[in-house]
Amino acid sequence: AQTVTQSQPEMSVQEAETVTLSCTYDTSESDYYLFWYKQPPSRQMILVIRQEAYKQQNATENRFSVNFQKAAKSFSLKISDSQLGDAAMYFCAYRSAPGGTSYGKLTFGQGTILTVHP
Amino acid sequence: ETGVTQTPRHLVMGMTNKKSLKCEQHLGHNAMYWYKQSAKKPLELMFVYNFKEQTENNSVPSRFSPECPNSSHLFLHLHTLQPEDSALYLCASSSPGVGFYGYTFGSGTRLTVV
Repeated sequence: AQTVTQSQPEMSVQEAETVTLSCTYDTSESDYYLFWYKQPPSRQMILVIRQEAYKQQNATENRFSVNFQKAAKSFSLKISDSQLGDAAMYFCAYRSAPGGTSYGKLTFGQGTILTVHP
Repeated sequence: ETGVTQTPRHLVMGMTNKKSLKCEQHLGHNAMYWYKQSAKKPLELMFVYNFKEQTENNSVPSRFSPECPNSSHLFLHLHTLQPEDSALYLCASSSPGVGFYGYTFGSGTRLTVV
């Protein structure tokens, strides 16, 4: 079974600064998808960014980018120009590609609480 | 609002009560999921439904009983719960053939068992 590990229970950043959240995962599959979700106090899980494992290029969505290192099984999230609204719990998640052992299931890490200081 | 609606938003129930959580989506998704989110624990997948059929039950106690009458609605029936069942219960949906798009989540039901 796949596992996802977020080793940073909490992180903090100053407004306008950059912060990187870490995520590692364990899988024997070669094709899969990786996601970062944000859960603010409103509890709504919001998709921040996603990456297809067979794509070498790191995904970018405005101020959010990832550093995907497939061989190292690492998928970190970089938030640039941090804003107060970025404060939330961030979850890294894994999903097998079609035909994979756990296709359809989203496996989550433990989460990282991000605090943004004004 | 993401398109997945969960009701009620908050629920307090005694250990002998019977209650139900409801999840509804009109996104055209054919897969629906129940997750449990407890403090300081990873999200735990409870049940998976694909095209109304239950395809996964992650050793969930029988005091939790899911029901999926159609691809748009998912229920979680609760009875004789324990205090440790207090948690945030999240519903999600997805299109099984489109894995790249992850899940769409509801806002959850905060359940407190007293």
